[in-house]
Parts: sequence; structure tokens; C-alpha cells
Amino acid sequence: GAGVSQSPSNKVTEKGKDVELRCDPISGHTALYWYRQSLGQGLEFLIYFQGNSAPDKSGLPSDRFSAERTGGSVSTLTIQRTQQEDSAVYLCASSFAGTGVEPLHFGNGTRLTVT
Amino acid sequence: AQSVTQLGSHVSVSEGALVLLRCNYSSSVPPYLFWYVQYPNQGLQLLLKYTTGATLVKGINGFEAEFKKSETSFHLTKPSAHMSDAAEYFCAVSQLNAGNMLTFGGGTRLMVKP
Repeated sequence: GAGVSQSPSNKVTEKGKDVELRCDPISGHTALYWYRQSLGQGLEFLIYFQGNSAPDKSGLPSDRFSAERTGGSVSTLTIQRTQQEDSAVYLCASSFAGTGVEPLHFGNGTRLTVT
Repeated sequence: AQSVTQLGSHVSVSEGALVLLRCNYSSSVPPYLFWYVQYPNQGLQLLLKYTTGATLVKGINGFEAEFKKSETSFHLTKPSAHMSDAAEYFCAVSQLNAGNMLTFGGGTRLMVKP
């Protein structure tokens, strides 16, 4: 596709429910990132995928959070047993090779509201 | 370890005035530096980047930034603000071959008054 696509754009869920957020990166990009942006906060790194390597999960805030990337393309971020503090905008980004030199291309994000 | 500090979470300027958004970084290795802009309800998009070479880099929409190693700074400037520049701006630092080491600053919200 032309850019990074995220779905849904908005998600409202009840506390305790599980949610899945989807990211479709730019075709050919080997690196994929998930960030969380809370109201008035900067970007919090969650997880990084690079090719077939094991993902860097060091930013995941708890074991309720997990992510996978199937076939080196689409990624799904899953939050189990959602809590109100999980409310945020979840941003996905991809880059061509993940070398640190080329820029990230961001999707428009998924706004998650936990009630 | 590396970090980014953006001084001023909110900056307000008048239309036509100089824009100066401050960014200081710390890095134990030569850094790669980026400025991203985020418009409401959108993701971030690249304004400009410094990797090597010329320390004054020009980006989109008339913005530029200068890498000053001695000051560990990468401030973003624009000579004349436009209403459409109102957005949130993020400075970021990364390292070569460390794609998972991209670190963002806390962001600066730029407001432009008519």
C-alpha cells in the first residue's frame, strides 16, 4: 500500500475485555514498530520486529500485552483484560531496513478507550 | 544509553514570527537525529533528519535544524511561522544498526497566533 495502515481507527471497549489492533506496514519494509501515545505524553516504545529476528519486547508494559507479525508483514497488537490505564493512541510504524538511519513511516494510529 | 530532552512542552508564536523548538540529546555514539511532526489525529511524519555530513539540514515546509555536537543540540527553526505549522513536534535520536534504539523526546506543541 501507499502507507502504513492501522485498524480500527477508534476502539471503545469495556474494562476486562481483550482487544486486537492491526497494522499493515509499507510493502517491503522489514522493520515494524509499535508505540503508545498517552494524552499529553510522548511516544512510549512497545515492541520492534526486524525481519525474521526475535522481536524486541522490552517496551511491553505488562504480560497482558503481546504482539505478533505474520509472514513478515501484518502485525497484531493484543491487549488482554484491558484496564483504563491502557487508554491511549497506539501507533504503528515501519521502516525499510531498521538500520536506525532511515526514517519511520507512521500510521494514523488506533485510539483505544477503555471504559 | 541515549535520551532526548525537548525544552518547552508548549510554544506559542505569532504568525510570521520565528519558530525555535529546542532539542538536546545524549548519546554515547554518533547520533542520527530526526524531527517529526504530528498533526491532529494523524501519525508522525518526517520533517528532516541528520545522519552525516552537513550539520545544517533543511526539511519540508521551510523548517531547518542544525546539529551542534559541542552543545549536543539539534534545534528546529523556521524563519516565519504559518498558521498551518500548528502541530506537535518530536525530536528523536537513533544509532546506526540499532533500529530498535530510536528514542523520542516528549514533544513540543506549537501554537501559532494570528
